[in-house]
Amino acid sequence: EPEVTQTPSHQVTQMGQEVILRCVPISNHLYFYWYRQILGQKVEFLVSFYNNEISEKSEIFDDQFSVERPDGSNFTLKIRSTKLEDSAMYFCATSRVRASDTQYFGPGTRLTVL
Amino acid sequence: TQLLEQSPQFLSIQEGENLTVYCNSSSVFSSLQWYRQEPGEGPVLLVTVVTGGEVKKLKRLTFQFGDARKDSSLHITAAQPGDTGLYLCAADNYGQNFVFGPGTRLSVLP
Repeated sequence: EPEVTQTPSHQVTQMGQEVILRCVPISNHLYFYWYRQILGQKVEFLVSFYNNEISEKSEIFDDQFSVERPDGSNFTLKIRSTKLEDSAMYFCATSRVRASDTQYFGPGTRLTVL
Repeated sequence: TQLLEQSPQFLSIQEGENLTVYCNSSSVFSSLQWYRQEPGEGPVLLVTVVTGGEVKKLKRLTFQFGDARKDSSLHITAAQPGDTGLYLCAADNYGQNFVFGPGTRLSVLP
């Protein structure tokens, strides 16, 4: 069964550093999403991406965040200058059509900012 | 901002018991999904409900979407230790952002 993959599984970085989290979507899926989950808290929507541009973004997705699909396969989330409060699990999800279609989640990247 | 509430927040039961968890909102949603999440892993989709009043069954799990599409329930019959996990509901608000509830953490004791 096709699945969403994410790398790395765990990223440790110093505050102020840039990080790039990578996701490989399911091959025939058109919509891509990033979510984050701070330890012990609920899953929060960050951004959705379709046709090489952002469809929707939440208040959390400020100027420090960006997304792109540079090579037609990887879907990346970049955090330019990490803060302590960026420490969380970051999940990539993809869907074939739209959010009302099934969203398949990756296993997540645990980001720890020191 | 639309909010999803889930109850109970925590539930600990013995193997073989039945249980129901709830997901509620004041907003109407075009669809609602239930996920189960294990510690350190991503949410795994259990079911999507779309039509008001819809009931879907997945083995011992029964999902219902409220008639007004504002609430949903998940009923587990004869719970097993393998059912232990965090149960999340999530909803799509007619093409706007995708909202998750805080989850119900279920523990089924052998």
